[in-house]
Amino acid sequence: EVQLVESGGGLVKPGGSLRLSCEVSGVTFSNAWMSWVRQAPGKGLEWVGRIKSKTDGGTTDYAAPVTGRFTISRDDSKNTLYLQMNSLKTEDTAVYYCTSVLRFLEWSDSWGQGTLVTVSS
Amino acid sequence: EIVLTQSPGTLSLSPGERATLSCRATQSVSSKLAWYQQKPGQAPRLLIYEASNRATGIPARFSGSGSGTDFTLTISSLEPEDFAVYYCQQRSKWRGSFGQGTKLEIK
Repeated sequence: EVQLVESGGGLVKPGGSLRLSCEVSGVTFSNAWMSWVRQAPGKGLEWVGRIKSKTDGGTTDYAAPVTGRFTISRDDSKNTLYLQMNSLKTEDTAVYYCTSVLRFLEWSDSWGQGTLVTVSS
Repeated sequence: EIVLTQSPGTLSLSPGERATLSCRATQSVSSKLAWYQQKPGQAPRLLIYEASNRATGIPARFSGSGSGTDFTLTISSLEPEDFAVYYCQQRSKWRGSFGQGTKLEIK
């Protein structure tokens, strides 16, 4: 069974930075495609971005609102996915979910429990 | 940008009834559409992918149909645990997007 455990959320001021981590087990992480999805309090889901496995090119893609500010990366030696968030805005406040993604099909088939990021002065 | 619109916003039904949820895209997404279920305080769960394929472990009462711009999620006979929020998602382009959700509540 795939398990994903996010960490690193918290309170940050507008303009600040934060790095989220997601530790993955139960799957060969190096072969996994991974993504981040967020959910603002009381709102719907928003796709943030995706990273392919290194063997499939390691390509990243991002949603328009976070392009240029957020970076997804991975450390296959640590079975860990990262989301580096810079120039944070109040509208980035959300629960951030780490998900595994069906290879090539790109659907999120396993989800972590989420970590809350609050951007406020 | 592809926008997904789900209808209705809220659907009130009783256990045993049939539920029909709709998702419409502003341009064709072919069959690149999925459905997720989210219960309060929980992460979403993948139900249907590629418009009509049930994900692993999903009961047969859940089915998906459609292609192009119009899609439907059908729950043939509602169980008490099916009352939740349902989201559609498209991945026809390299950026994904979700619909705003349909809340399925007990009547």
